[in-house]
Amino acid sequence: DTEVTQTPKHLVMGMTNKKSLKCEQHMGHRAMYWYKQKAKKPPELMFVYSYEKLSINESVPSRFSPECPNSSLLNLHLHALQPEDSALYLCASSQAGQGTNYGYTFGSGTRLTVV
Amino acid sequence: GQSLEQPSEVTAVEGAIVQINCTYQTSGFYGLSWYQQHDGGAPTFLSYNALDGLEETGRFSSFLSRSDSYGYLLLQELQMKDSASYFCAVLIGGYNKLIFGAGTRLAVHP
Repeated sequence: DTEVTQTPKHLVMGMTNKKSLKCEQHMGHRAMYWYKQKAKKPPELMFVYSYEKLSINESVPSRFSPECPNSSLLNLHLHALQPEDSALYLCASSQAGQGTNYGYTFGSGTRLTVV
Repeated sequence: GQSLEQPSEVTAVEGAIVQINCTYQTSGFYGLSWYQQHDGGAPTFLSYNALDGLEETGRFSSFLSRSDSYGYLLLQELQMKDSASYFCAVLIGGYNKLIFGAGTRLAVHP
C-alpha cells in the first residue's frame, strides 16, 4: 500500500459546527503532516507529527486541533471555523528522522467549505 | 524565516526541454525537493537533493548548488501531461519541516 487516504473528500460546514478530517497510511511512515492549500497557492504547513508526537505547530489557530491516535492515523478536528478557512486540506506522510527526506506522500485532500 | 523564489509561469512545446529555477534563503537547510501538482490533484514527489550535483530520474533531473542557494528542475522530452504546477520545497532543521515555494505553472503546447 503506497497511498495516503483522506476522508471525507468534500466537506461543507457551518461556522458553529464541529467536524473532523481523517487521514490514514499503511506505509510504515512515522512522520505525518497537515497542510492547507488555497487555490493557486502552495501547500502551507500546519502541523508535523513525528513518532506520534506533535513536533511542529506553525502557529495555527486553536480552532484547528490535530490528533495522532496511532502511527497510521492522523485526525484534524475543526471547531468554530471561519469562511476564510475554506481550502484544500492535505495530509502527507514520510519516513521520519533528522534530515531524511525520501519524499512526502500526499493524500488527495479534503476540500473544505465553511459557510 | 524562509524564502523561495521560482518563476510563476513557463511555457514550452511538446518534445522540448524546460528548466525551472529555484533560489532560496533559509536557515537550517537540509535539502531541496521538487513536487508536481496537476489541477485538482495532490502534490507528487519528484526528487530530492541533499548534496550538490545532479540527480536524474527518467525524463526529470534536479540540480542543487548549496553554495549558491540555488537549484533547478530539468524536464526533457516534454509531454502534454507534464502541464502542471511545479513546486520547489526546502527541508529545514531536524523535524521534517518542508516549506514550499510559490510554484511554477508549466503549460506544454503541441
